[in-house]
Amino acid sequence: AQSVTQLGSHVSVSEGALVLLRCNYSSSVPPYLFWYVQYPNQGLQLLLKYTSAATLVKGINGFEAEFKKSETSFHLTKPSAHMSDAAEYFCAVTGLSGGGADGLTFGKGTHLIIQP
Amino acid sequence: DTEVTQTPKHLVMGMTNKKSLKCEQHMGHRAMYWYKQKAKKPPELMFVYSYEKLSINESVPSRFSPECPNSSLLNLHLHALQPEDSALYLCASSQAAQAWWDLHFGNGTRLTVT
Repeated sequence: AQSVTQLGSHVSVSEGALVLLRCNYSSSVPPYLFWYVQYPNQGLQLLLKYTSAATLVKGINGFEAEFKKSETSFHLTKPSAHMSDAAEYFCAVTGLSGGGADGLTFGKGTHLIIQP
Repeated sequence: DTEVTQTPKHLVMGMTNKKSLKCEQHMGHRAMYWYKQKAKKPPELMFVYSYEKLSINESVPSRFSPECPNSSLLNLHLHALQPEDSALYLCASSQAAQAWWDLHFGNGTRLTVT
């Protein structure tokens, strides 16, 4: 069984400020973890993924996330927010083994608002 | 630009209409997926095709009928839909079946049922 909790359905930051989007997961097997971004009227774009290699994962558009097993967390950060970062962000988890028998489980999403 | 192409981008249909959504990829992927995404919600898996055979059907009502004519194409045939079926329908593909770490999503079809 697996699940994802994203803290905060809406996060608002000022342009140039640190972006922190929180994700906690639960998985009965070692997980793969993902962050996806969805701009209005578009599909999902993969920002970054953790697949059991380095715990600090760098993605596109200056985002990175750190896998912390002890905290069961995979928070997404970006040092300096840009107006173009305004979007919906989804954290997701799948089981590492067995071809992901439980599928890909998404969090409920966090809407990131960038204030000018 | 996305490597998974979905057409049409928008579709409005009545409850008695029959329509189809189309998805195409030319990455040589052998698995293709349909997801449904309601407003302000995460995507929900509907169907998975592996090597052109249906491998997962997440108890989707029969008014949604998937079809995979070849490894590059995936269709979703719609008939007698309800207004609550209005949503963004996303197609995805991956190299292998249930390779959840390798999903490539299209931009979706925004469906409105009137």
